[in-house]
Amino acid sequence: DAGVTQSPTHLIKTRGQQVTLRCSPKSGHDTVSWYQQALGQGPQFIFQYYEEEERQRGNFPDRFSGHQFPNYSSELNVNALLLGDSALYLCASSLTPGELFFGEGSRLTVL
Amino acid sequence: AQRVTQPEKLLSVFKGAPVELKCNYSYSGSPELFWYVQYSRQRLQLLLRHISRESIKGFTADLNKGETSFHLKKPFAQEEDSAMYYCALRTNNNDMRFGAGTRLTVKP
Repeated sequence: DAGVTQSPTHLIKTRGQQVTLRCSPKSGHDTVSWYQQALGQGPQFIFQYYEEEERQRGNFPDRFSGHQFPNYSSELNVNALLLGDSALYLCASSLTPGELFFGEGSRLTVL
Repeated sequence: AQRVTQPEKLLSVFKGAPVELKCNYSYSGSPELFWYVQYSRQRLQLLLRHISRESIKGFTADLNKGETSFHLKKPFAQEEDSAMYYCALRTNNNDMRFGAGTRLTVKP
């Protein structure tokens, strides 16, 4: 089991563009959460998906949206990118609440 | 407000010395707390959770509701303990609130 995998690992966008990040959960995990980690900060919760529905959402604008597919993989979409969206985006899957398995992240740079 | 505070960004100790990484939380309900660790060039991973009350890699953490703290302790630090440590709180909405992290360096 490769664990949680994310793609791409790095990407550069310009302001106003849109980005899609992808995540495959650990085998057998049905819940996927997304986090934004700015430099020098801890991960901040964006939202969580379970059974293809957004179950919980953190304090992020509607520009951040997501999707979960029947195979439990997930996408994070960010529209109208701002410079402040530059961060490491982490995906985590879980079977037991709180016991998160993280991917290595997608580092987004917005110029 | 539901918040986790780790007051020390950096902590440095010598090998064999005791180490304590501080974590304070603010939460109105019954908290569920965790410590996550990120070793160099590895992904973030769960170290321990308070409800399991177990020792992992020699680390323990006790939930003190009176002081709203969940400090991580180890009596004798090892060089391989050098890492970034994050304290986290699971809210009753099932989202996780992470602290800003403490970078622990264990010197030889």
